[in-house]
Amino acid sequence: DIQMTQSPSSLSASVGDRVTITCRASQGISKSLAWYQQKSGKVPKLLIYAASTLHSGVPSRFSGSGSGTDFTLTISSLQPEDVATYYCQKYNSAPWTFGQGTKVEIK
Amino acid sequence: EVQLVESGGTLVQPGGSLRLSCAASGFTFSSHWLHWVRQVSGKGLVWISHIKTDGTITNYADSVKGRFTISRDNAKNTLFLQMNSLRAEDTAVYYCARGGTSSSIVGLDYWGQGTLVTVSS
Repeated sequence: DIQMTQSPSSLSASVGDRVTITCRASQGISKSLAWYQQKSGKVPKLLIYAASTLHSGVPSRFSGSGSGTDFTLTISSLQPEDVATYYCQKYNSAPWTFGQGTKVEIK
Repeated sequence: EVQLVESGGTLVQPGGSLRLSCAASGFTFSSHWLHWVRQVSGKGLVWISHIKTDGTITNYADSVKGRFTISRDNAKNTLFLQMNSLRAEDTAVYYCARGGTSSSIVGLDYWGQGTLVTVSS
């Protein structure tokens, strides 16, 4: 099975900073990658699918890029409401494996 | 408004069985793949299973293969997860989530609130 590895596991940044999270697949998955945000105690929310397509209602400060094995989620200007854990998920074929998550905090 | 409401989570003994349900509304149920995802308290998301629109294709994570069975009733807009031979490590919140259609895969765009399954003696 394809493994999904996120880095870093956690990060702390200041409001307004540009934040980048990386997700690497152990084999190529084309652009079959989604990103989710999960705030503490809440249900996960879809942010991005097809590696770079913003889901409806998601703020434009979020963006995704990549294809094949290397993917990036970028928050262009970190806001206090972005404190959350972010997960990537591959969906080219079963199993639809998630990355282990990246916890984003405000410095 | 799309809604997914899970039910059936409870305390069950190791080796026991449980059936989770997920009642859907607000969308054409029979047009979407559906998934189960679980999360141990304080840990990450783990994909468990999915089922095709008409129920003809199912897939499972290795950790539950042979023990869990996903099914759906398109007439009643309900998704199920039959869980057998439960183990302590199956203790988690179980979410149902909506996948894409046969022509469009967009990740998991709507999630239920989750139902807690606790496996303990």
